[in-house]
Amino acid sequence: NAGVTQTPKFQVLKTGQSMTLQCAQDMNHEYMSWYRQDPGMGLRLIHYSVGAGITDQGEVPNGYNVSRSTTEDFPLRLLSAAPSQTSVYFCASSPRGQAGNQPQHFGDGTRLSIL
Amino acid sequence: SQKIEQNSEALNIQEGKTATLTCNYTNYSPAYLQWYRQDPGRGPVFLLLIRENEKEKRKERLKVTFDTTLKQSLFHITASQPADSATYLCALDGTGFQKLVFGTGTRLLVSP
Repeated sequence: NAGVTQTPKFQVLKTGQSMTLQCAQDMNHEYMSWYRQDPGMGLRLIHYSVGAGITDQGEVPNGYNVSRSTTEDFPLRLLSAAPSQTSVYFCASSPRGQAGNQPQHFGDGTRLSIL
Repeated sequence: SQKIEQNSEALNIQEGKTATLTCNYTNYSPAYLQWYRQDPGRGPVFLLLIRENEKEKRKERLKVTFDTTLKQSLFHITASQPADSATYLCALDGTGFQKLVFGTGTRLLVSP
């Protein structure tokens, strides 16, 4: 099992460009989520999904879109990149159930710089 | 306001000693609290989960306590090794059913 796979690992964008961060898991997990990690601020929840076709907003959703058409994939779209979105992005997945009661499996992140 | 606080200063200890990391929270009523390890350039890796009705949880050299009165969790690594050097994150179930909230993490450095 590969676990949670995130692509790309690194990306540099110009302000105003759009892009999609990919996340795929092969553990048949129903719950998937996106976090961003910034120095001194910890991991902050952007969007999450409790199953295919169901998504909801986290703590910092503005500027990001998500969709969940399959159980395996949960892409994160930046609509119009801004320097404030420079960060490390992590995707996580877990089995069905309350997030706090399930170990989260994280990918190794996408390091995104917006110039 | 709601806060999860972990010591932002690195904890330096000698090999063989017990490392104790603290996670304090304010204005949350978590049913669960989790601890993760994160190495540079990698994603967090799950270590332990403790429920509100559990006072203590152990796994090999790791021990977690959860005091809902003090609103605090302690994470202990006994007989620490240089390979235990990493950043350790605590997380709890936040205000939503599916919202996990993370602390900023504490960096542990174990010297030989």
